[in-house]
Amino acid sequence: NAGVTQTPKFRILKIGQSMTLQCTQDMNHNYMYWYRQDPGMGLKLIYYSVGAGITDKGEVPNGYNVSRSTTEDFPLRLELAAPSQTSVYFCASSTLNRDRARDEQFFGPGTRLTVL
Amino acid sequence: GQNIDQPTEMTATEGAIVQINCTYQTSGFNGLFWYQQHAGEAPTFLSYNVLDGLEEKGRFSSFLSRSKGYSYLLLKELQMKDSASYLCAVRDRMTGGSYIPTFGRGTSLIVHP
Repeated sequence: NAGVTQTPKFRILKIGQSMTLQCTQDMNHNYMYWYRQDPGMGLKLIYYSVGAGITDKGEVPNGYNVSRSTTEDFPLRLELAAPSQTSVYFCASSTLNRDRARDEQFFGPGTRLTVL
Repeated sequence: GQNIDQPTEMTATEGAIVQINCTYQTSGFNGLFWYQQHAGEAPTFLSYNVLDGLEEKGRFSSFLSRSKGYSYLLLKELQMKDSASYLCAVRDRMTGGSYIPTFGRGTSLIVHP
């Protein structure tokens, strides 16, 4: 299993450009997440999905969009990039998040995005 | 919402023991996780607590007190490779019924010889 894969690893955008961060998992996990991590900070949830066709906003969704057409893929779209979106983006997945079950998250290697 | 608090940074000596604390406030607690994150890498799972008490796994142990909203991660026989950030995450029941983890800011642990 490759686990959770993300592309690209690095990207530099100009203000106002758009891009899609790709995320794929091969563990047949229902739950998928997008987080951003700024220097010295923890992970802030952008969007999450509990299954194909279902997405929901997290703590910091403004400026981003997601879709979940398949179990495996969960792309994150940035429209009109701004310097405040400079960050490291992590995609993660987990199984069913059952009541009181461990169901820990597995993370991709991250995408380092700079907006100039 | 949730409020998760951890110390920003800790230092310790190789071979010693260190305890990293995490306090939280949540409306629908459903488990607490500890993750390790080395610089420039992704977080990886370390431990999980959902009932009160201590969970031990080799050199790492994690403790939970739900009534106090408190957990700690205990690292024994510290090694240089333990220098990393340690993230506390609390899983909460969301409005729609899903259980979703929220992360604290992380504690940067520096182990020196």
